[in-house]
Amino acid sequence: QKEVEQNSGPLSVPEGAIASLNCTYSDRGSQSFFWYRQYSGKSPELIMSIYSNGDKEDGRFTAQLNKASQYVSLLIRDSQPSDSATYLCAVNPSGKGGTSYGKLTFGQGTILTVHP
Amino acid sequence: EAQVTQNPRYLITVTGKKLTVTCSQNMNHEYMSWYRQDPGLGLRQIYYSMNVEVTDKGDVPEGYKVSRKEKRNFPLILESPSPNQTSLYFCASSLYISPLLAGSHYNEQFFGPGTRLTVL
Repeated sequence: QKEVEQNSGPLSVPEGAIASLNCTYSDRGSQSFFWYRQYSGKSPELIMSIYSNGDKEDGRFTAQLNKASQYVSLLIRDSQPSDSATYLCAVNPSGKGGTSYGKLTFGQGTILTVHP
Repeated sequence: EAQVTQNPRYLITVTGKKLTVTCSQNMNHEYMSWYRQDPGLGLRQIYYSMNVEVTDKGDVPEGYKVSRKEKRNFPLILESPSPNQTSLYFCASSLYISPLLAGSHYNEQFFGPGTRLTVL
């Protein structure tokens, strides 16, 4: 089983719709969770971080975390064509004390296409 | 301007010829990492560093070396490159902030522009 799993997609949604991206992880002791966006040919950039159960909202983006189910999701409301990109889920796993902070495991990414 | 720089951006080399990819950040971040990105495999962490002279292995460290002699620099060394190391490489840095103090972006990793390496 992969440590961090995402549906690779592609996920296609119409402009103005809600895009829902999902991610599961295997390490139950994982500390913190991130969503990155990567445009084709560009570097990843952070959209959201979340580290406690529940929802966290930032503009059109909402991250949801359920540690009991080992599940994290990203909702994009009012999707725009400019949201078309690959979305990467990343997890900071549990590890050997303080050094584990630097470790980050990514999922394969979900390709999102928002069509006009 | 706050940034992470990598050099070179593109490199074509031959098997066995030692090479170094440099990474530098001007944000005074403690943490720095190297990743490789391959189609179908996503981003995989090679090595990371918590501070000067403190490094640890990521998920795919075989065939790579790193050093952290200065806080701002974190070079990636391929002593004897092989074709399976052909990939897109990213360097990243981050500042440790307690989740109790951070706003929405806790442990935000800032990525460099990437280095596309081809080993023939």
